[in-house]
Amino acid sequence: NAGVMQNPRHLVRRRGQEARLRCSPVKGHSHVYWYRQLPEEGLKFMVYLQKENIIDESGMPKERFSAEFPKEGPSILRIQQVVRGDSAAYFCASSPRYTGANVLTFGAGSRLTVL
Amino acid sequence: AQTVTQSQPEMSVQEAETVTLSCTYDTSENNYYLFWYKQPPSRQMILVIRQEAYKQQNATENRFSVNFQKAAKSFSLKISDSQLGDTAMYFCAFMKVTGNTGKLIFGQGTTLQVKP
Repeated sequence: NAGVMQNPRHLVRRRGQEARLRCSPVKGHSHVYWYRQLPEEGLKFMVYLQKENIIDESGMPKERFSAEFPKEGPSILRIQQVVRGDSAAYFCASSPRYTGANVLTFGAGSRLTVL
Repeated sequence: AQTVTQSQPEMSVQEAETVTLSCTYDTSENNYYLFWYKQPPSRQMILVIRQEAYKQQNATENRFSVNFQKAAKSFSLKISDSQLGDTAMYFCAFMKVTGNTGKLIFGQGTTLQVKP
């Protein structure tokens, strides 16, 4: 019974390149969330997706960042033209449906380093 | 807007002793959830305990218990019989119920070191 799978675990990019982070939710979970953790800080909400829909992207930077959760395949967090400030750990979480009573299950995170 | 504050950046405790981690929050919501998450060096986020605001009884999970003071907006975590494996960063988190979109609001974290 695999949990939330994120890959890559570590990604190094040079400034200006693109970063793609993938997240496969727990089997049967249809809701995916992305959080970002900057060094020495707590996690901060970025976006909430259901299959083929973005439900809440209030935490996403307006430029360069995008997320999708297609009908088939993993959820993707895409960062274009990365800058040093994008260096962080990016966590994906999933839930079966409405949260609260259903607690989010987190993945182990993807650590992005921008040189 | 909701905020979560953890005022203790670092704590330490001797193995087998008890330690309490503090958390306060600010919200105008009446119904919400509170959580404590543990993040060991592996960085995996692990749920330790959760509390529904409408429940007066404090949640307990084995050696972990909370002291939930709704009026004071305080939600502390007590770890009894501390073990070396409890060494980790601990995050307090808030989630409102209405219009819920899975948005957890995290505190800054408290690094706990359990000493042998």
